[in-house]
Amino acid sequence: NAGVTQTPKFQVLKTGQSMTLQCAQDMNHNSMYWYRQDPGMGLRLIYYSASEGTTDKGEVPNGYNVSRLNKREFSLRLESAAPSQTSVYFCASSERGVYNSPLHFGNGTRLTVT
Amino acid sequence: AQSVTQLDSHVSVSEGTPVLLRCNYSSSYSPSLFWYVQHPNKGLQLLLKYTSAATLVKGINGFEAEFKKSETSFHLTKPSAHMSDAAEYFCVVSGGSQGNLIFGKGTKLSVKP
Repeated sequence: NAGVTQTPKFQVLKTGQSMTLQCAQDMNHNSMYWYRQDPGMGLRLIYYSASEGTTDKGEVPNGYNVSRLNKREFSLRLESAAPSQTSVYFCASSERGVYNSPLHFGNGTRLTVT
Repeated sequence: AQSVTQLDSHVSVSEGTPVLLRCNYSSSYSPSLFWYVQHPNKGLQLLLKYTSAATLVKGINGFEAEFKKSETSFHLTKPSAHMSDAAEYFCVVSGGSQGNLIFGKGTKLSVKP
C-alpha cells in the first residue's frame, strides 16, 4: 500500500503565483488534513475534512483553500503565494477523528516562495 | 485553552543509555495525549497515545510514556537508545475540536555511537 501520497515533493513559486498541492490516500480513511511545518513551530493545522463533502478551517487557514474531491483526495490551493507561505506541507489521513485513530502522514511538499 | 510545551529542543544521548524527552501540557479538560516521531525527510508516525485508560502507555520500538495529572506531564522514555532512534519527536495534545491537535515544537534526539 502506498498510504498517503503527496505531489509534488518540491516546488518553487514566485510571489503572486498560484498552485495546488495534491494528496491522495488509499486506506479508505474518512478524515483528511493539511498541516504546515515551520522550523521550531511544530505542525499547525491549515484545513481538515472530517468526511467526504465537508471541510473546516484549522489554526492557520488564511491564504489557502481546500477541496475534498472524493474520499481519496484532498487538495490544498494557494491562490496568490506569499513568502510567508514558504514551508513544508504535510497531508494526513485518519480512519476516524484524531482522538480515536492515528494520523497517517505523507512525506511532505517543500515549498519555497521567492 | 490547550497547550503543550516540550522542555528541550535538543537531547543527545549515547547508544545504549536511557532516553528521556520531557513534555508538559495544559488542558481545561481531561486530554488525549500523543507522541509522534519524524525521521528526516519523512512524515510523522504515531509512537503512542494516552486516552484516559492506563497512565503508563507502551508504544512502538520500546518507547513508553507516563501520564501524570498532578504534574501535567507526559514524558517519553526508552531504557536503551538505538542509533535508529535519532529523529525529531513531537508531543501532541487534543485541541478541543474533532480536527484539532496541538503539536509541541519538537525535540530533536541525537544518538552517539
